[in-house]
Amino acid sequence: GAVVSQHPSWVICKSGTSVKIECRSLDFQATTMFWYRQFPKQSLMLMATSNEGSKATYEQGVEKDKFLINHASLTLSTLTVTSAHPEDSSFYICSARDLRNTEAFFGQGTRLTVV
Amino acid sequence: DQQVKQNSPSLSVQEGRISILNCDYTNSMFDYFLWYKKYPAEGPTFLISISSIKDKNEDGRFTVFLNKSAKHLSLHIVPSQPGDSAVYFCAARVTSGTYKYIFGTGTRLKVLA
Repeated sequence: GAVVSQHPSWVICKSGTSVKIECRSLDFQATTMFWYRQFPKQSLMLMATSNEGSKATYEQGVEKDKFLINHASLTLSTLTVTSAHPEDSSFYICSARDLRNTEAFFGQGTRLTVV
Repeated sequence: DQQVKQNSPSLSVQEGRISILNCDYTNSMFDYFLWYKKYPAEGPTFLISISSIKDKNEDGRFTVFLNKSAKHLSLHIVPSQPGDSAVYFCAARVTSGTYKYIFGTGTRLKVLA
């Protein structure tokens, strides 16, 4: 399957600072990228969907000013958690798909801990 | 509102036997269903999918069955191997302007040697 690389794999930051997570499709052009959040022992919760060159579509209850998503190119999307607080600590996972495939491919995930 | 449900949080199966993981959904607009396997602290890995117009898809040891009238799908793994131990997520795709994948809550499979 196609490869999606997510970076960093883990990050610890101080409360009030911002953190940027990168998601790259390495061997395909990702027309659509998705950002998910997973709490311990829970499902993957879709946060937002972004198409290259356009604004992200956020799911209900997700603060767009807090979770900034940029999909500037067909191979890169970024999620910035602004003014992070301990309750933002979670496992964030990106996924991407291109026009050829039914499935979406996932990155390795980023464990964010806000202290 | 949980549109995709996996009612069994865990399942234990003896090595060599069949593992059956179940998934129910509520949205008739889903056009594809997918199964992903996930290890802790890693992203999900795609396993197999099925179109909503089919009732069975097979790939090696993995077979997915879809019963549209019951809004139910299942993943069969046979024979089960210890390396199959992981959390399995059922996902459904909806297309309404853009694609969106909705995940179930996952089933932790443990294959006993």
